[in-house]
Amino acid sequence: QVQLQESGPGLVKPSETLSLTCTVSGGSVSSGSYYWSWIRQPPGKGLEWIGYIYYSGGTKYNPSLKSRVTISVDTSKNQFSLKLSSVTAADTAVYYCAREQGTTINSWGQGTLVTVSS
Amino acid sequence: QSVLTQPPSVSAAPGQKVTISCSGSSSNIGNNYVSWYQQLPGTAPKLLISDNNKRPSGIPDRFSGSKSGTSATLGITGLQTGDEADYYCGTWDSSLSAGVFGGGTKLTVL
Repeated sequence: QVQLQESGPGLVKPSETLSLTCTVSGGSVSSGSYYWSWIRQPPGKGLEWIGYIYYSGGTKYNPSLKSRVTISVDTSKNQFSLKLSSVTAADTAVYYCAREQGTTINSWGQGTLVTVSS
Repeated sequence: QSVLTQPPSVSAAPGQKVTISCSGSSSNIGNNYVSWYQQLPGTAPKLLISDNNKRPSGIPDRFSGSKSGTSATLGITGLQTGDEADYYCGTWDSSLSAGVFGGGTKLTVL
């Protein structure tokens, strides 16, 4: 059974770049059957889809975040990563990495809280 | 403002049935499969229903999903206190080329 684990700083300063990595175990990011996604949830609010990457490097991003988001994949480490630039307090959220198939997110990481504050 | 519209909250007594609606448009629900997720307090969301009405292994048949036109519905029968959670619908939006979610519905089992 696939497991996903987010890692990265829990505190980021305004205007800086948020960087998170998701390590996948029990499955391969090189599988052609899945997309590897990032989703976030501000405290007390709903879910927001950030984007996904395919093992070949193809990506899709939420139009509202597209100018600031980069998702990359490292097949040698079985990891994929998120970079969100020019962060503000509005980017404070729990960030989840996930595995997506079709229109379904069938596996989720436990999530990591990232706070944007000076 | 979420692309998909859900009621903020629903409630029912233990043992009863509840339905949660999810309304969208032709660019999302109308032409794509809908999934439903359960988020228990302090935990990550978990897949409940995929492809409009399919239950993953381990999900009880008390949970069901349906879709008609640009709306989808999650049904839960035999309510238990352990079902108290936030429920989200999700799908793909072909116009946005992005995944979209509803705003979430908080279920209270009275």
